[in-house]
Amino acid sequence: KNEVEQSPQNLTAQEGEFITINCSYSVGISALHWLQQHPGGGIVSLFMLSSGKKKHGRLIATINIQEKHSSLHITASHPRDSAVYICAVRSRVNQFYFGTGTSLTVIP
Amino acid sequence: NAGVTQTPKFQVLKTGQSMTLQCAQDMNHNSMYWYRQDPGMGLRLIYYSASEGTTDKGEVPNGYNVSRLNKREFSLRLESAAPSQTSVYFCASSDAGPPKEAFFGQGTRLTVV
Repeated sequence: KNEVEQSPQNLTAQEGEFITINCSYSVGISALHWLQQHPGGGIVSLFMLSSGKKKHGRLIATINIQEKHSSLHITASHPRDSAVYICAVRSRVNQFYFGTGTSLTVIP
Repeated sequence: NAGVTQTPKFQVLKTGQSMTLQCAQDMNHNSMYWYRQDPGMGLRLIYYSASEGTTDKGEVPNGYNVSRLNKREFSLRLESAAPSQTSVYFCASSDAGPPKEAFFGQGTRLTVV
């Protein structure tokens, strides 16, 4: 059983659409991270959350600790948002667990 | 720029050859990690180092060794490469609680033939 489950695995959207990627986890956490991996492979951190909601530009991340669930939203999606989005949780002993990623393609 | 520097970016090895992947961070982080990423799977922890001088096995340590040379550097060694070690390897660093951002290297794409 994976400690972190993401959905959907693959997502294709038209430019301008509102996108939601979901993440559920089963371990106790101290923080949840959303990561972005572009073709070519580099991984960058988008958000780190331990409660509530954060917003950077067109990206919004929310977390519900009681339900062990987080969502990443992209408003007004753009082709440059095409990437793999990875949910990762940090356990209370500072270990990371990763989802398998959501591959997003935004079509012009 | 501050961050995690990982070398090399690409490597092709023959079965049985050895190599060392280098990782350095300049953010004064205590914790450093080595992961491998395989198609259809999340990143899996190979080894981690919670602080200088300490290393611990992760989920998939077999066939690998690590050295935490100092606070900045954490290297991963393949003593006798096998085709099953064909993967993309990522080094990461972070600090311990309260939780702080995790930073990743650019990855090393390793092919063992």
